[in-house]
Amino acid sequence: NAGVTQNPKFQVLKTGQSMTLQCAQDMNHNSMYWYRQDPGMGLRLIYYSASEGTTDKGEVPNGYNVSRLNKREFSLRLESAAPSQTSVYFCASILGQGTSYEQYFGPGTRLTVT
Amino acid sequence: AQSVSQHNHHVILSEAASLELGCNYSYGGTVNLFWYVQYPGQHLQLLLKYFSGDPLVKGIKGFEAEFIKSKFSFNLRKPSVQWSDTAEYFCAGGLNTGKLIFGQGTTLQVKP
Repeated sequence: NAGVTQNPKFQVLKTGQSMTLQCAQDMNHNSMYWYRQDPGMGLRLIYYSASEGTTDKGEVPNGYNVSRLNKREFSLRLESAAPSQTSVYFCASILGQGTSYEQYFGPGTRLTVT
Repeated sequence: AQSVSQHNHHVILSEAASLELGCNYSYGGTVNLFWYVQYPGQHLQLLLKYFSGDPLVKGIKGFEAEFIKSKFSFNLRKPSVQWSDTAEYFCAGGLNTGKLIFGQGTTLQVKP
């Protein structure tokens, strides 16, 4: 049971390049999330997927797209990277719902855009 | 607007000192509250959570937090910190959709 996995762990992009961050979970969770972490700002939700086939915007969706490929996988795409997207990206999935739940986080992807 | 704020951004303590990290939330409706810890270079791990019931919640590694509804607070405490508690701590509020709203984080440095 690997939990939540993310690839790659590190990435350097040039402004304007595109890339996809991969996330997979093997816990059979329905909901998955993408956050970005910036110094002094905590984690901010980019997009989430409540179930396979559905996605919704979070707090900071501009410049990103997502795909919920199946129940296991939830990818985040940067179509045209900008220096403001330099951040650490965390994927999470959720066990439970409603009155009791817990989010499990992946190890993160550290992205630098030059 | 829904928000979570942490008062202390950087805390430095000596080993065996007591710890209290502040967290306040600002949103209505059902209140679900969490504390996560992030050790250097690692991902977030859940320390404890509150959904309902006893407002004093005990978590892993000797941490506890108290939900005080009248103060909109959920402060994290530990009676005696260790060097290994050096990490960043995040308070978060959870909506029933499962989305989390995070505070800014508090960096704790414990000196041996």
